[in-house]
Amino acid sequence: AQKITQTQPGMFVQEKEAVTLDCTYDTSDPSYGLFWYKQPSSGEMIFLIYQGSYDQQNATEGRYSLNFQKARKSANLVISASQLGDSAMYFCAMREGLGNTPLVFGKGTRLSVIA
Amino acid sequence: GAGVSQSPSNKVTEKGKDVELRCDPISGHTALYWYRQSLGQGLEFLIYFQGNSAPDKSGLPSDRFSAERTGGSVSTLTIQRTQQEDSAVYLCASSSSKSSGANVLTFGAGSRLTVL
Repeated sequence: AQKITQTQPGMFVQEKEAVTLDCTYDTSDPSYGLFWYKQPSSGEMIFLIYQGSYDQQNATEGRYSLNFQKARKSANLVISASQLGDSAMYFCAMREGLGNTPLVFGKGTRLSVIA
Repeated sequence: GAGVSQSPSNKVTEKGKDVELRCDPISGHTALYWYRQSLGQGLEFLIYFQGNSAPDKSGLPSDRFSAERTGGSVSTLTIQRTQQEDSAVYLCASSSSKSSGANVLTFGAGSRLTVL
């Protein structure tokens, strides 16, 4: 079974609008972390936001917020006030347990921001 | 260094040749990871080093793939007898050793391998 599922291969959003990128995860470990990365066409992987399984509040970082619904095992990324520079691939990832174990990545969602 | 450095940035090789890809992690980062990203795909975990512990090789696709990390710093990923399906971008990442699941992976720019 896939650990991380991103069901939207591609999304379009109008500039200045908000967009939600979906991510569901599967784990039986009570301790886990969820990450979102952005990969522009240049190829580098840019960390955006992190949510721990025990965090009581949804994580926010500037225009990025994570809609964490633990019972549904979903960790959707919300980008507010989209900009043309937000056009990129977005990957959801999960680490099970604590420490430095590797992240498992979803297949990604390609976001295109339209002027 | 300030970031994760990978070399070469591009490598074209002929089927059957061996290749070595190098990763220099952020200074002080004890964890080092190799991932592979085929065209238009997600990231596939290959191998993980944590300090002096035995590496987690569970993601290596075949015995043609191996990696080592010398002195707890620089790592080399070696692919022997390359095949066309090995063509991909190989990404290296490192992270610090805080005892928290929040350790962020910082990625290098990747090494693009093309096997003809």
